[in-house]
Amino acid sequence: GESVGLHLPTLSVQEGDNSIINCAYSNSASDYFIWYKQESGKGPQFIIDIRSNMDKRQGQRVTVLLNKTVKHLSLQIAATQPGDSAVYFCAENRDNAGNMLTFGGGTRLMVKP
Amino acid sequence: DGGITQSPKYLFRKEGQNVTLSCEQNLNHDAMYWYRQDPGQGLRLIYYSQIVNDFQKGDIAEGYSVSREKKESFPLTVTSAQKNPTAFYLCASSTGRTNSPLHFGNGTRLTVT
Repeated sequence: GESVGLHLPTLSVQEGDNSIINCAYSNSASDYFIWYKQESGKGPQFIIDIRSNMDKRQGQRVTVLLNKTVKHLSLQIAATQPGDSAVYFCAENRDNAGNMLTFGGGTRLMVKP
Repeated sequence: DGGITQSPKYLFRKEGQNVTLSCEQNLNHDAMYWYRQDPGQGLRLIYYSQIVNDFQKGDIAEGYSVSREKKESFPLTVTSAQKNPTAFYLCASSTGRTNSPLHFGNGTRLTVT
């Protein structure tokens, strides 16, 4: 079946460096994608979203890139801080109606001081 | 502050007992969702409700039941028929409009022994 997945389960970066978390999706008809951040023992926190009519969207220190040609989504975090350490999930709207999201397995980001 | 409240944070039950997890939201959202998260994995959809007095099964509904008698409340019952009930349970809500993000509570960790 179609699913959302992630390339790397764990990413370790130095504080101050930029982080890039990748996500591959297989449903070419998906038109909405979201990145969530989940800290230990807490629920996922919305970071940023993007619709398929866009290639790039920027937030505060974060940028999401969407490459529909290769069905790839990435989250870039600028000047990574210790507080960015968490598990990051990408999700896609599975049926392009309502909000039925399919989540990837998550990438753990570890920031080294 | 508006948000989603899940209670309790930790719950322990003996095998064979039913248990109900609480989820309340004051965001005036129409749609509510229950997800299950197992260690090191993504989120899987149990049940969702797009409007009061209506709900649908998600991908892993067996052994679970829900009700949606009020807009702000969406309790989940984990029945004795659920074979592996120990997990982290997350409740979420959204406006219900197409391509709008889900907002999550901080979860309930259920341990059944």
